[in-house]
Amino acid sequence: GAGVSQSPRYKVAKRGQDVALRCDPISGHVSLFWYQQALGQGPEFLTYFQNEAQLDKSGLPSDRFFAERPEGSVSTLKIQRTQQEDSAVYLCASSLRTTTDTQYFGPGTRLTVL
Amino acid sequence: GENVEQHPSTLSVQEGDSAVIKCTYSDSASNYFPWYKQELGKRPQLIIDIRSNVGEKKDQRIAVTLNKTAKHFSLHITETQPEDSAVYFCAASSLGNTDKLIFGTGTRLQVFP
Repeated sequence: GAGVSQSPRYKVAKRGQDVALRCDPISGHVSLFWYQQALGQGPEFLTYFQNEAQLDKSGLPSDRFFAERPEGSVSTLKIQRTQQEDSAVYLCASSLRTTTDTQYFGPGTRLTVL
Repeated sequence: GENVEQHPSTLSVQEGDSAVIKCTYSDSASNYFPWYKQELGKRPQLIIDIRSNVGEKKDQRIAVTLNKTAKHFSLHITETQPEDSAVYFCAASSLGNTDKLIFGTGTRLQVFP
């Protein structure tokens, strides 16, 4: 079946612009995660949704970062007034239930802020 | 919170040799330990995982061992092949409201023919 998909795959933004990154999880997956992966580093947790509820946003770096999952499926990560330090790959992952099930990752969106 | 350390950062082996990557974690409540393989420009893909009620798990050429007392776990790849070349990440997760994964910094494995 279809895996996790993300769009766009690449995004170039000028400093100060707003961007929106989309994640389509595996159908029926309850849990959805956003991670940020800087070059040469492991993914770092940003935020977690259980269905439409955002249960943990402790990893969001600043109030410029906002995520939503209004209908419990597709999720959007929005970054306002982008800064150069926001340049990274943003990975989305989904898992079937709310316990520690396997997390399946999407291909990521590579964001470059000039 | 949880902290995961991973060693070595780079590992070069000859085809057919074994490779071992080690990780330590800090939160004794962690109970799930996956390993992901990430090829350049690709998504992380789960290759094996282990839960805290098991000490060892094997899947063909790949095995993972867990020592809860010492809070460390290791990935073992036997009979390495060039296609095993990639970056490998360990991770740890705690049961709770958030099943977030805390990742290690990665090991770049190169298998030379």
